[in-house]
Amino acid sequence: DQQVKQNSPSLSVQEGRISILNCDYTNSMFDYFLWYKKYPAEGPTFLISISSIKDKNEDGRFTVFLNKSAKHLSLHIVPSQPGDSAVYFCAASENTDKLIFGTGTRLQVFP
Amino acid sequence: DGGITQSPKYLFRKEGQNVTLSCEQNLNHDAMYWYRQDPGQGLRLIYYSQIVNDFQKGDIAEGYSVSREKKESFPLTVTSAQKNPTAFYLCASSYDSPSGANVLTFGAGSRLTVL
Repeated sequence: DQQVKQNSPSLSVQEGRISILNCDYTNSMFDYFLWYKKYPAEGPTFLISISSIKDKNEDGRFTVFLNKSAKHLSLHIVPSQPGDSAVYFCAASENTDKLIFGTGTRLQVFP
Repeated sequence: DGGITQSPKYLFRKEGQNVTLSCEQNLNHDAMYWYRQDPGQGLRLIYYSQIVNDFQKGDIAEGYSVSREKKESFPLTVTSAQKNPTAFYLCASSYDSPSGANVLTFGAGSRLTVL
C-alpha cells in the first residue's frame, strides 16, 4: 500500500509560467514532508521541506503548501525555467524516521 | 569536498552471481540508506543503518545484505536470491536539518544490469 502518491507521472509547462506538482499521503502521523529533484543517471537533490505544524514554506522560486485535512501537499515553482526540467519526488517521514518516497512526476519546461 | 561516493557507476552481472555495491560518505552523518529505483515505482527502501554495527530492513530487503562496520561505509550486496536485480541503486546519508526534517543526501547512483 503506497503511503505517498504522486498521481501525475508527467507535467509540461511553458517557461516563465507556474509549475504545480502535487502529492497525496495516507498516513496522518507523517510530520515532515520533503521535495527532491532528480536528473537522469544522478542522485536526487533536496529542494525544500515543510513541517506538519506549518502550511507553507518558501525558498526563492520554490514554495511548498501543506493541507493536512486533505492530506495533500504541492510544490509551486515560479517562474519555471528550462533547468527545472527533471523528475520531482515527494517524500514524507514520521518522527524523523526513514523517508517514504512517491513515484515521482516528470516536469518538462519548454521555451 | 564532502559527499557520497558510489562505485561502480555501471555494473554488469551474470545470473547467479553476487555483487557488492560500494557507498562511502565523508559527511560525518550517522544514518545511511540504500534505495532502489525502478521505472514508475519511485524510490524503495532496501536497508538502512542509524548507527555503526546496526542496520534494519526496509520495504524490499529480500535478496540483499548490508554491513556497517565503519561510520563512513555502507556496502550493499545483491545476492543471487534477488529475483529482479536490474535497477538503479542509490545510497544516501542523512542529517537532521534545523527545521527538524531528516534530510537525505544522495550519491550519484549505481546502475546494475543482470545479463
